Amino acid sequence: AQTVTQSQPEMSVQEAETVTLSCTYDTSENNYYLFWYKQPPSRQMILVIRQEAYKQQNATENRFSVNFQKAAKSFSLKISDSQLGDTAMYFCAFEETSGSRLTFGEGTQLTVNP
Amino acid sequence: DTGVSQNPRHKITKRGQNVTFRCDPISEHNRLYWYRQTLGQGPEFLTYFQNEAQLEKSRLLSDRFSAERPKGSFSTLEIQRTEQGDSAMYLCASSLAGGGADTQYFGPGTRLTVL
Repeated sequence: AQTVTQSQPEMSVQEAETVTLSCTYDTSENNYYLFWYKQPPSRQMILVIRQEAYKQQNATENRFSVNFQKAAKSFSLKISDSQLGDTAMYFCAFEETSGSRLTFGEGTQLTVNP
Repeated sequence: DTGVSQNPRHKITKRGQNVTFRCDPISEHNRLYWYRQTLGQGPEFLTYFQNEAQLEKSRLLSDRFSAERPKGSFSTLEIQRTEQGDSAMYLCASSLAGGGADTQYFGPGTRLTVL
């Protein structure tokens, strides 16, 4: 069974600075998908970024980028120029095959301080 | 573009009662997922449908839980004889199968409190 581990329960960063959230996973599959979701205090889960394991290039979405290390089974999220609205719980998620279940990590509570 | 909607948003019930939640997916999405999230934890998969077919059920889904998607559009999740341990946020997500990574879009959830 796949497992996803987020070792940082809480993190904080000053507004406009950069922060990196860590995620590791365990799988025997070669092709799979990885996601970062954000859950603000209103609790609606929002997709931040996704990465296909067969792609070597790291995904980027505006201020959000990932560092995908397939051999190390590591998938970290970098948030640049942090904004107050980035304050949320961030979940790393693994999908074995397209359209199958998501396996989530425990989450990292990120607080952006003014 | 309307997103995934869930009703009710909050439900308080007494132990032993039955409850039913509804999820309306994004209109063209053919896959629909149910997850359960307890406070401070990541969501846990319960079950999912492609069109009206229930393709997978988690072992978390005990006999007291049943989910349906009769016409391949909205879905219902029923919990019979609720227990205090059922208190959680129940999340629904939908996606459009095919063409690569099927991104799941989540609804706002239904928060269940069992007294």
